[in-house]
Amino acid sequence: DAGVTQSPTHLIKTRGQQVTLRCSPKSGHDTVSWYQQALGQGPQFIFQYYEEEERQRGNFPDRFSGHQFPNYSSELNVNALLLGDSALYLCASSFQLAGDSYEQYFGPGTRLTVT
Amino acid sequence: DAKTTQPPSMDCAEGRAANLPCNHSTISGNEYVYWYRQIHSQGPQYIIHGLKNNETNEMASLIITEDRKSSTLILPHATLRDTAVYYCIVRGGYNKLIFGAGTRLAVHP
Repeated sequence: DAGVTQSPTHLIKTRGQQVTLRCSPKSGHDTVSWYQQALGQGPQFIFQYYEEEERQRGNFPDRFSGHQFPNYSSELNVNALLLGDSALYLCASSFQLAGDSYEQYFGPGTRLTVT
Repeated sequence: DAKTTQPPSMDCAEGRAANLPCNHSTISGNEYVYWYRQIHSQGPQYIIHGLKNNETNEMASLIITEDRKSSTLILPHATLRDTAVYYCIVRGGYNKLIFGAGTRLAVHP
């Protein structure tokens, strides 16, 4: 059973460019969350997608947008890249269970470097 | 969102139990405590979670105080491969995870 997969593994972009990162959730999972992790810090929640809709959003500007497809995979798009967007971008998937207890499984991340 | 407080670093001898504390004094009655760990820039790995009762799985045990204001993650027999940053998280609405700085655990021979 494949876990959460992300592509690409590494990416180098120039300031002002746009980037798209991709995530395939763990089999059977229907919810995808995205996190940004700057060097030396804990991951920061960007947003979450469920049923192809953005359900919740963290404190990130509109330059960060996303999409979820019918097969539950997801994309994270960042426009007008800034040097400060350099980070490890993590995707996590989960499944809605009965009650209010469910685990998120993380992918290996995409390392984005903006020059 | 409830916040957590963890010591920035801890040491543990290989083969001994590692006890990682976490304070979450503002936790609400229906909020879960989750523990994840991250090994050298890999994706965080789920360890365990709980609401009120103590929990145990193949990786660790979670002890939550009766007032739910603090918890302890126990790795019963630490190995060198347990060296990582450990995050204690109070899970927010819609499963939003709010990570702090975590505890950097160093297991030494």
